[in-house]
Amino acid sequence: NAGVTQTPKFQVLKTGQSMTLQCAQDMNHNSMYWYRQDPGMGLRLIYYSASEGTTDKGEVPNGYNVSRLNKREFSLRLESAAPSQTSVYFCASSDPNTGELFFGEGSRLTVL
Amino acid sequence: GDSVTQMEGPVTLSEEAFLTINCTYTATGYPSLFWYVQYPGEGLQLLLKATKADDKGSNKGFEATYRKETTSFHLEKGSVQVSDSAVYFCALSGLNFGNEKLTFGTGTRLTIIP
Repeated sequence: NAGVTQTPKFQVLKTGQSMTLQCAQDMNHNSMYWYRQDPGMGLRLIYYSASEGTTDKGEVPNGYNVSRLNKREFSLRLESAAPSQTSVYFCASSDPNTGELFFGEGSRLTVL
Repeated sequence: GDSVTQMEGPVTLSEEAFLTINCTYTATGYPSLFWYVQYPGEGLQLLLKATKADDKGSNKGFEATYRKETTSFHLEKGSVQVSDSAVYFCALSGLNFGNEKLTFGTGTRLTIIP
């Protein structure tokens, strides 16, 4: 009953450090997404992947890179973290039959 | 581009009160509309949806009707419970069903007091 699993749940970085957020889904979905959630701004799409081997920019891609390693996994990398990237990050996948998005529990990132 | 305007919160109600959270949208074509709910410390989960005009989505006592003429999808519940305390997000999808790049509203925090 795992659904979408994200790691880590919490992370504190210093400005300029790098890190990768991992995401995996076990629902055999083709499409996967990374969103960030900030107070008063709702969720904004960073990157998405319509299928294995393809990725596309969303609304706020600057400062991030992604990798769709296989159908299950979609990682988000911050190469040089900035305080503006302090946020809660959500990974999601979508059911092509219903249009429903399934979200992970989120990763809270603080950049000092 | 597509956008969702959602009633600002926070909203505080007493148990058993009637709830309305307003949501209006701007989009090309005929998007699908969604309400997602986020309980404390959790990710978002689908509450209800409607895929065409005049459709009514419903779940857990919540309802919302897709009104094309007013470009609205307001969330309602007749009698709220403490367990309904959460953040509610209105969202719409683009035209590519199965590739759901949702556009979200800013969220409305709802607190129900006993």
